[in-house]
Amino acid sequence: SQTIHQWPATLVQPVGSPLSLECTVEGTSNPNLYWYRQAAGRGLQLLFYSVGIGQISSEVPQNLSASRPQDRQFILSSKKLLLSDSGFYLCAWRTSGSGYEQYFGPGTRLTVT
Amino acid sequence: AQSVTQPDIHITVSEGASLELRCNYSYGATPYLFWYVQSPGQGLQLLLKYFSGDTLVQGIKGFEAEFKRSQSSFNLRKPSVHWSDAAEYFCAVGPGTASKLTFGTGTRLQVTL
Repeated sequence: SQTIHQWPATLVQPVGSPLSLECTVEGTSNPNLYWYRQAAGRGLQLLFYSVGIGQISSEVPQNLSASRPQDRQFILSSKKLLLSDSGFYLCAWRTSGSGYEQYFGPGTRLTVT
Repeated sequence: AQSVTQPDIHITVSEGASLELRCNYSYGATPYLFWYVQSPGQGLQLLLKYFSGDTLVQGIKGFEAEFKRSQSSFNLRKPSVHWSDAAEYFCAVGPGTASKLTFGTGTRLQVTL
């Protein structure tokens, strides 16, 4: 069966510090991968998606970036965090070529202080 | 462009009462529709999905949803709510570009004992 992991679960970082969040998927190959952000009391905002290794599409211009160095690994990064980067970050995957449902990881709670 | 509207931000029901959460969508073709549930601090879990066929679909945890094309709606229902159903519920429609989903802003369900 497929599983999705996110690391770390919780993170507190000062403004201006770098960021690296990791998402890995097991039990599937060539998935589509997605990064979302939820601000407090808000819905889901799609940040990035990837349909293959090295292929990243950005939905919202901001100081975040994403990379996909391996088929089942998706990384969200920032060189300098802003207060507005605080939120709950969710990674999701779907199997390419099948139904369009996405499956979500447990999320990372990021607080920028 | 596709969109999803969840008109109810917050709903409170008594345990044992019936539940209906509303979802209206805008989509240029036959949509794929989804309902997800999110407990506090956790990722989203897929409750059910509609692709085609029978317009009444059954999901996990005793939930069902009915697709009504004429009303562009996909409302979620449960005959008898349990306290553990308290969570946030998201409706989603797709696919969009690169198989993306568009999510509604969510409905927060509170269950009183």
